[in-house]
Amino acid sequence: KQEVTQIPAALSVPEGENLVLNCSFTDSAIYNLQWFRQDPGKGLTSLLLIQSSQREQTSGRLNASLDKSSGRSTLYIAASQPGDSATYLCAVSENDYKLSFGAGTTVTVRA
Amino acid sequence: NAGVTQTPKFRVLKTGQSMTLLCAQDMNHEYMYWYRQDPGMGLRLIHYSVGEGTTAKGEVPDGYNVSRLKKQNFLLGLESAAPSQTSVYFCASGGDRASYEQYFGPGTRLTVT
Repeated sequence: KQEVTQIPAALSVPEGENLVLNCSFTDSAIYNLQWFRQDPGKGLTSLLLIQSSQREQTSGRLNASLDKSSGRSTLYIAASQPGDSATYLCAVSENDYKLSFGAGTTVTVRA
Repeated sequence: NAGVTQTPKFRVLKTGQSMTLLCAQDMNHEYMYWYRQDPGMGLRLIHYSVGEGTTAKGEVPDGYNVSRLKKQNFLLGLESAAPSQTSVYFCASGGDRASYEQYFGPGTRLTVT
């Protein structure tokens, strides 16, 4: 059974600092890995999707890397802003394309 | 293009009552999923469907039933609600066979008293 872990569970940084969010998974036989953002009381917004054959994906200030062999992904958010405050979820896709989620990292960016 | 929509947004049930949650998608996706989200546990898959007329069990299927009579709709039913089913329910769909990216609805917040 796939286990997805996100450390730390919560993170508080001053505005302008770079954010580093970690995700690890136990079974490396994945199709892809997705990073999502969730605002309080809201649904999930997809940020980045990395295919199993890729090493990284970038979108604006966001960069996600994937090391499938070691079961790790890292989401980098450059020059954080208060609007980046949210919970970030990592999920891996396996057979039947089901997603297994981590519990998330809640980020607070202080102005 | 509304994406994935869920009805209702909020609901309060008494123990033993039944209800159906509706998920609709307008992206012509083959795959649809129901997840529940509980504090500190992330999202867990309840049931899913790989096409019209098909359903399959996920990680936590007990106490729930689903139906996919039309490609665009995926229904989640609770026959006899229990307090342990208090949660936020998310529906998702996916159809890109290259990426298998999933798109999520806004969620339904259900409280069972």
